Amino acid sequence: GAGVSQSPSNKVTEKGKDVELRCDPISGHTALYWYRQRLGQGLEFLIYFQGNSAPDKSGLPSDRFSAERTGESVSTLTIQRTQQEDSAVYLCASSLGQGHYNEQFFGPGTRLTVL
Amino acid sequence: AQSVSQHNHHVILSEAASLELGCNYSYGGTVNLFWYVQYPGQHLQLLLKYFSGDPLVKGIKGFEAEFIKSKFSFNLRKPSVQWSDTAEYFCAVTYNQGGKLIFGQGTELSVKP
Repeated sequence: GAGVSQSPSNKVTEKGKDVELRCDPISGHTALYWYRQRLGQGLEFLIYFQGNSAPDKSGLPSDRFSAERTGESVSTLTIQRTQQEDSAVYLCASSLGQGHYNEQFFGPGTRLTVL
Repeated sequence: AQSVSQHNHHVILSEAASLELGCNYSYGGTVNLFWYVQYPGQHLQLLLKYFSGDPLVKGIKGFEAEFIKSKFSFNLRKPSVQWSDTAEYFCAVTYNQGGKLIFGQGTELSVKP
């Protein structure tokens, strides 16, 4: 079966531009997570969605970052007025349900470079 | 603050050597512990996990990890590494039955044939 997919795989943008990153979770997975990995650092949690519950946005680093999810399908992460420190690999994961018991399956990531 | 630290950034071993990668987490309540692996060019994937019970957990490809609550540690071990174990390894924790993973910085393992 298909895994988590993300697009684009690479994105180069200029400082100040907005970018949109897309994640397609595994079909039937109700929970969806966004993480980012900056060079030489571990993965940082950004946001997660579980069904129709309000998303946990506690990891978003600034109000330039936002994310949406339509039902239990696609999610988009939007970064407005990008800055060089936003350069990172953005990873999406999905799981069957919320909580620690459910294994998170990761996508290949989107490598974002802000010039 | 909830955090995870991995002691080694880059480990280089010869094939058949034994491996131990350190992972410590900060106190923050009930924890569940994970090791993830990312092979070159591949997605991050789960290696093993600890929820409760026997603190010695066995995972795929001959890896195991031991949860030592008193030391806030969850070290990863393998008795004899292979060249195919070359990858980046991440320790991760969830706190208080939450879903979000708190990751360590990762350890890059290079195994020389």
